[in-house]
Amino acid sequence: GENVEQHPSTLSVQEGDSAVIKCTYSDSASNYFPWYKQELGKRPQLIIDIRSNVGEKKDQRIAVTLNKTAKHFSLHITETQPEDSAVYFCAASRGIRNDMRFGAGTRLTVKP
Amino acid sequence: GAVVSQHPSRVICKSGTSVKIECRSLDFQATTMFWYRQFPKQSLMLMATSNEGSKATYEQGVEKDKFLINHASLTLSTLTVTSAHPEDSSFYICSAVGTSGTGYEQYFGPGTRLTVT
Repeated sequence: GENVEQHPSTLSVQEGDSAVIKCTYSDSASNYFPWYKQELGKRPQLIIDIRSNVGEKKDQRIAVTLNKTAKHFSLHITETQPEDSAVYFCAASRGIRNDMRFGAGTRLTVKP
Repeated sequence: GAVVSQHPSRVICKSGTSVKIECRSLDFQATTMFWYRQFPKQSLMLMATSNEGSKATYEQGVEKDKFLINHASLTLSTLTVTSAHPEDSSFYICSAVGTSGTGYEQYFGPGTRLTVT
C-alpha cells in the first residue's frame, strides 16, 4: 500500500521567511496530493492540492511542486506570518474520491 | 463549501461500554465516507472506508468487530466503538467527498474526542 513520508517534523522560521515541507510517496498509482493545515483540536483544512498531470500550482503565498518521477512533492510558503503556525500534513491518494494516506505532519512555528 | 458534521464532539465513557459517533454530510450526498483516528501529536490514520449500502472496508490491523461502521444513508455514517478501553481514547475524524467550486474535495468533520476511563 501507499506510504507517505514527510520532513521535517518540526520547522521554525522567522516571520517573513519562507518555509518548505517535503513529502515522498511510494505508490506510483497515486495521482492526487493535497496539503492540509490543522490547528490544535480542529479538523484538517485543505490549503492546496495538486494532481499528477501538473508539476506546480500556486495560490498567493502557497505553492506546491510535484515530481512524479522521483515520487516527491513539496509545500512552499512564502512571506510567512504568525498565523501560519500550525501542523501541516501532506497526503496522497489514487484520486480525490479515494482513501488518503497522510504524512506524519510538520509542526510549523513562525516567530514574530 | 460542503459541510460535514460529527456528533458528539466530545465523549467520555467507562471502560467496557460502547460509544456511537455520527458523521453527517449536511448539504450533499456522500456514497463514500472515511473514518480516521488521530492520536495526540500524530498523523491521521485511516481506519476504514464506509460505503453506503454495503459493508465497510477496514484497514489492516483495525478490528471490524470492535469498530462497527454503518452507512445506512447517503448522508450518515456511524462508527461504534464497542467494549471501549483506555487505549481507544483518541480523536476520531470522518471525511466525505463533495463538490466544490472547482471540482471535488474531501471534506473533514470537526472530529470527536473520545476519552475512555
